[in-house]
Amino acid sequence: EVQLVQSGAEVKKPGESLTISCQGSGYDFTFYWIGWVRQMPEKGLEWMGIIFPHDSRTKYSPSFQGQVTISVDRSINTAYLQWTNLKASDTAIYYCARPRYSTWEGAFNIWGQGTMVTVSS
Amino acid sequence: DIQMTQSPSSLSASVGDRVTITCRASQGINNYLAWYQQKPGSVPKLLIYDASTLQSGVPSRFSGSGSGTDFTLTISSLQPEDVATYYCQKYKSAPWTFGHGTEVEIK
Repeated sequence: EVQLVQSGAEVKKPGESLTISCQGSGYDFTFYWIGWVRQMPEKGLEWMGIIFPHDSRTKYSPSFQGQVTISVDRSINTAYLQWTNLKASDTAIYYCARPRYSTWEGAFNIWGQGTMVTVSS
Repeated sequence: DIQMTQSPSSLSASVGDRVTITCRASQGINNYLAWYQQKPGSVPKLLIYDASTLQSGVPSRFSGSGSGTDFTLTISSLQPEDVATYYCQKYKSAPWTFGHGTEVEIK
């Protein structure tokens, strides 16, 4: 079964750093783009960026460029989303997702279960 | 960056009604458009990709059309289980922007 399994919920304080993960299984992880999507409380979906595990090519939304880092560890089929200076406004559910086809920069048909990140003093 | 404008932001319709949601891109995006359904408390689900291709397992009452800048998601006969928020998304060239969503309710 093709699936993306994300790390568990996090509660952090402003200014702290955080890395959440997304592990793929059931497919050739290396050749499928992996994307990250933010959903703030009661709000819509926001595309943050994507990474191609094979060569770590990364594309960011201008809204998130410089605010987060997307990376990957091919040896354990895992993608990461990292913050170095969390803000209360980072409180959201974060989803990882994968397109339908290998190497295809297209629509996400496989989604992780989401990671809730709460940033509060 | 290309902006995606969805309308309406919400709608209320009766069971069996035909429902149409539109999505307009600020520049042409060929057919690189997807539609997603997100039910409350759930993960988004892909309904349609390449503007009009139905994702496997999605009921045939859902259909998509359009190309260039104007796109439509149609539910031919609204069912109670279709209560959800629907999002369009452009892809292929970054950023893969989502529309702001359309909340669909049963009247």
